[in-house]
Amino acid sequence: EDKVVQSPLSLVVHEGDTVTLNCSYEVTNFRSLLWYKQEKKAPTFLFMLTSSGIEKKSGRLSSILDKKELFSILNITATQTGDSAVYLCAVDSNFGNEKLTFGTGTRLTIIP
Amino acid sequence: DGGITQSPKYLFRKEGQNVTLSCEQNLNHDAMYWYRQDPGQGLRLIYYSQIVNDFQKGDIAEGYSVSREKKESFPLTVTSAQKNPTAFYLCASAVFSGANVLTFGAGSRLTVL
Repeated sequence: EDKVVQSPLSLVVHEGDTVTLNCSYEVTNFRSLLWYKQEKKAPTFLFMLTSSGIEKKSGRLSSILDKKELFSILNITATQTGDSAVYLCAVDSNFGNEKLTFGTGTRLTIIP
Repeated sequence: DGGITQSPKYLFRKEGQNVTLSCEQNLNHDAMYWYRQDPGQGLRLIYYSQIVNDFQKGDIAEGYSVSREKKESFPLTVTSAQKNPTAFYLCASAVFSGANVLTFGAGSRLTVL
């Protein structure tokens, strides 16, 4: 059975800190790993990673995938209160979207 | 602006009642999905549809039903057979079934009294 585990489950930091969120996975026929940000309701897409060692970057957010060790990290530098959200990791297999497996999410809270 | 509209945002129902959640997209996406989100659990797939007039059960389809009569619409009915229906329901779409990036709606929170 495919499995995605995110850690920590929740994290509280002060504005300006740097955080690292973790996602490990076990999936048959891995195709890609995706990160989403869920602030209140609708998750919004952040990154899709398919190759090991290639960092994806968007502003203060970056992510990298290690296909050998089966994990990904999401880094957020110089955190702001607007970064407070639940961050979801999902893994996609070659069987299509119906086989997207989501982790439980990491709830990040930024204190001003 | 293109996107997914879910309604209602909040819904209360009594036990034994069926309720239908609406999901409409104007993105011209072929594939649509319904997920359930519970505290401490990842999103779980209820039903998905790759094209009009076709849909497939996901991991937790029992007690739910769907239809896909139009490309832009994928309503979910929560029936009285669903034992624990109180949850947050998310609708999503993708350009096509093999596309792995989903666009999500804002969700519907169903509470059974």
